Amino acid sequence: DTAVSQTPKYLVTQMGNDKSIKCEQNLGHDTMYWYKQDSKKFLKIMFSYNNKELIINETVPNRFSPKSPDKAHLNLHINSLELGDSAVYFCASRNVDNSPLHFGNGTRLTVT
Amino acid sequence: AQSVAQPEDQVKVAEGNPLTVKCTYSVSGNPYLFWYVQYPNRGLQFLLKYITGDNLVKGSYGFEAEFNKSQTSFHLKKPSALVSDSALYFCAVRDSRDDKIIFGKGTRLHILP
Repeated sequence: DTAVSQTPKYLVTQMGNDKSIKCEQNLGHDTMYWYKQDSKKFLKIMFSYNNKELIINETVPNRFSPKSPDKAHLNLHINSLELGDSAVYFCASRNVDNSPLHFGNGTRLTVT
Repeated sequence: AQSVAQPEDQVKVAEGNPLTVKCTYSVSGNPYLFWYVQYPNRGLQFLLKYITGDNLVKGSYGFEAEFNKSQTSFHLKKPSALVSDSALYFCAVRDSRDDKIIFGKGTRLHILP
């Protein structure tokens, strides 16, 4: 199936831990994004990569570090997790033209 | 910087009636406008977009939206609502001059049987 896939689907961890979320798209898209959806369902853009190059960094704490080993993958590593990091994190991708975003199903991160 | 506003937290409509979900935007350049729908525990699904051309755009599941440049609006509409349309709807905008896609806060649509 062609899709944007994220792993894991659920992630429960304690404050202070370091965790990663992986994202892969097999749509051949050039641009990938990370969004954070909070408990009120607000969607906030975090990062965007175009062909492995960082193009958007929305004043996200430097505990968050995206990594793009190739244009089909955009992983998100989070250091020293805090309670406020609890949210659903969505990966998305699109072509460089005016095509819409294709979203993964999200990773629900719970920090205790 | 671009922004998008969805003034209604929720909209309630009886099944079979027409529905409208409102969206207004602000960009410096030309707007690229999108509507997405989110069902529980799922990612966002694309419904329709306006890039250029006809102001009335048609999308998935019978939805349509009208681009109004003077009012900077892009309201989502459907002539006859279904109970299965109940979900969270997001309007999004991208400035033609960059790659940032900004979402509104979402409007929860309730279709009453």
